[in-house]
Amino acid sequence: GAGVSQSPSNKVTEKGKDVELRCDPISGHTALYWYRQSLGQGLEFLIYFQGNSAPDKSGLPSDRFSAERTGGSVSTLTIQRTQQEDSAVYLCASSNRQVDTQYFGPGTRLTVL
Amino acid sequence: QQQVKQSPQSLIVQKGGISIINCAYENTAFDYFPWYQQFPGKGPALLIAIRPDVSEKKEGRFTISFNKSAKQFSLHIMDSQPGDSATYFCAASWTDKLIFGTGTRLQVFP
Repeated sequence: GAGVSQSPSNKVTEKGKDVELRCDPISGHTALYWYRQSLGQGLEFLIYFQGNSAPDKSGLPSDRFSAERTGGSVSTLTIQRTQQEDSAVYLCASSNRQVDTQYFGPGTRLTVL
Repeated sequence: QQQVKQSPQSLIVQKGGISIINCAYENTAFDYFPWYQQFPGKGPALLIAIRPDVSEKKEGRFTISFNKSAKQFSLHIMDSQPGDSATYFCAASWTDKLIFGTGTRLQVFP
């Protein structure tokens, strides 16, 4: 079956603009995660959705970052007033239940000029 | 206490050799320890995982060794191949999140 998909694959934006990144998880997966991977760095947890529960937003670096998940499926990560330090690869992952194998999408490479 | 420390940052191994990557943690509440493999331009993919009730798990050429008392775990890649060249991340779970190490870039030369 289809894996996790993310769009766009690449996004170049100007400092101060807002961007939206999309994640389509594997069908039926109840858990969805967003991570940020800076060049040569590990994966930084951003936010976690599990079913209909309130999301765990503890990893969001500032109030410019927000995410929503509509209908328990597709998720959108929004970064407002982008800064150059927001440049990174944003990865989405989904899993069938809590603390199970996370399946990652290919990521969106965000470049803020 | 939520950190997972990974070493080395990079590793160069000759084809046929053994690659060893080490990770250490502090939080004794961690109960799931996966390793992920990431190729350039791709998302990470689960390679192998272990729970703390066993000391070793082997899948083909890949083995996790787990030392609960030392709070350390390691990935061993036997008979390393050029196709194993990738970045490897260890991770540990606490509640419902994975905490990732900083990654090891492995290069296997023919």
